[in-house]
Amino acid sequence: AQKITQTQPGMFVQEKEAVTLDCTYDTSDQSYGLFWYKQPSSGEMIFLIYQGSYDEQNATEGRYSLNFQKARKSANLVISASQLGDSAMYFCAMREGWDTGFQKLVFGTGTRLLVSP
Amino acid sequence: GAVVSQHPSRVICKSGTSVKIECRSLDFQATTMFWYRQFPKQSLMLMATSNEGSKATYEQGVEKDKFLINHASLTLSTLTVTSAHPEDSSFYICSAPGQGPYEQYFGPGTRLTVT
Repeated sequence: AQKITQTQPGMFVQEKEAVTLDCTYDTSDQSYGLFWYKQPSSGEMIFLIYQGSYDEQNATEGRYSLNFQKARKSANLVISASQLGDSAMYFCAMREGWDTGFQKLVFGTGTRLLVSP
Repeated sequence: GAVVSQHPSRVICKSGTSVKIECRSLDFQATTMFWYRQFPKQSLMLMATSNEGSKATYEQGVEKDKFLINHASLTLSTLTVTSAHPEDSSFYICSAPGQGPYEQYFGPGTRLTVT
């Protein structure tokens, strides 16, 4: 079974509008973390935002916010006021069992975001 | 923030030869590093966990004898693709975890092309 599911292979948004990228996850662990990364065409992985499973408030980082719905096991990324430079691949990832020392990330299949003028 | 480097950034090699990729943590010590492979338009797939001073842990389906991993020091892990074939052409990325639960530092990646 897929641990991380991103159902949107591609998304289009107009500049200055908000966009939501979907991510659902599957785990039986109580302690886990959810990440969003941006990967431009250069290939580098740019960390955007993190949500811990015990965090009660949704994480926010500038124009990025994470809509964390634990019961539904979803961790959607919201980008507000999209910019042309936001065009890239976006990956959702999960790290399970933080308190048992697990540190590896499992990635979703990604969503390609295209921002148009 | 912490920095992880990779060398080389791009490499082209002939089929049957071996190529070594280095991953260095520049300003912190990493007892663990991770190697990922990413085929075009696909996700990052974890290949192995590199452990300083001990054997690497490989993910299911990854050939240990083909992808040799050596974590010789607290700042350096190497991935050697042995007897490379065109199907090994891919983007290889390493990462190293930091102290905090959200800390995971990625290298810039190495694009391998096997001709």
